[in-house]
Amino acid sequence: DAKTTQPPSMDCAEGRAANLPCNHSTISGNEYVYWYRQIHSQGPQYIIHGLKNNETNEMASLIITEDRKSSTLILPHATLRDTAVYYCIVRIPIGGSSNTGKLIFGQGTTLQVKP
Amino acid sequence: KAGVTQTPRYLIKTRGQQVTLSCSPISGHRSVSWYQQTPGQGLQFLFEYFSETQRNKGNFPGRFSGRQFSNSRSEMNVSTLELGDSALYLCASSPGPGTNQPQHFGDGTRLSIL
Repeated sequence: DAKTTQPPSMDCAEGRAANLPCNHSTISGNEYVYWYRQIHSQGPQYIIHGLKNNETNEMASLIITEDRKSSTLILPHATLRDTAVYYCIVRIPIGGSSNTGKLIFGQGTTLQVKP
Repeated sequence: KAGVTQTPRYLIKTRGQQVTLSCSPISGHRSVSWYQQTPGQGLQFLFEYFSETQRNKGNFPGRFSGRQFSNSRSEMNVSTLELGDSALYLCASSPGPGTNQPQHFGDGTRLSIL
């Protein structure tokens, strides 16, 4: 699985958009980008995933560059409850490899949303 | 729809003992994966089960084992516990191979070794 690089920490003002970057320069053509977050003492929470097109759901938007070497997770209106560690993960699609259920987590980005 | 349920939430054991942790996946999910989270190593993959078969295994000693039952529920066992096994053990479920649905995690079992 491709390796990802994320800044260790970021701050964001409450109500503003939080833009979390992720570099995955060694990503392969069939590898998806997944984002999870983990709030203290809870399990990781799935946020969004995508292959090459931009994706949006009720939680966030995922912008993937045309060369797919980096992506940005956007939380449009951050709240204090969005304070968490955010993980960017690149994985081979289910069914495309024996590594179907294995997520490789890096250290993630600690996002602190401030009032 | 109920999420992934892990029991117990907290557990205290002593060195040399063994422990069994339980995971009930989301209804309809047939794949279960286990992870260990420690402050030093972060989140690390332990193993994955589908249709009662281990499909993938992380780089952990043989003291760590697991199994999956016909109803997709899973257990993991750690024998001869060591101080370094103190961690948050997380279980995640997904529908299974052939789909691109994400894994969903439980809130884990926090294991403390004295």
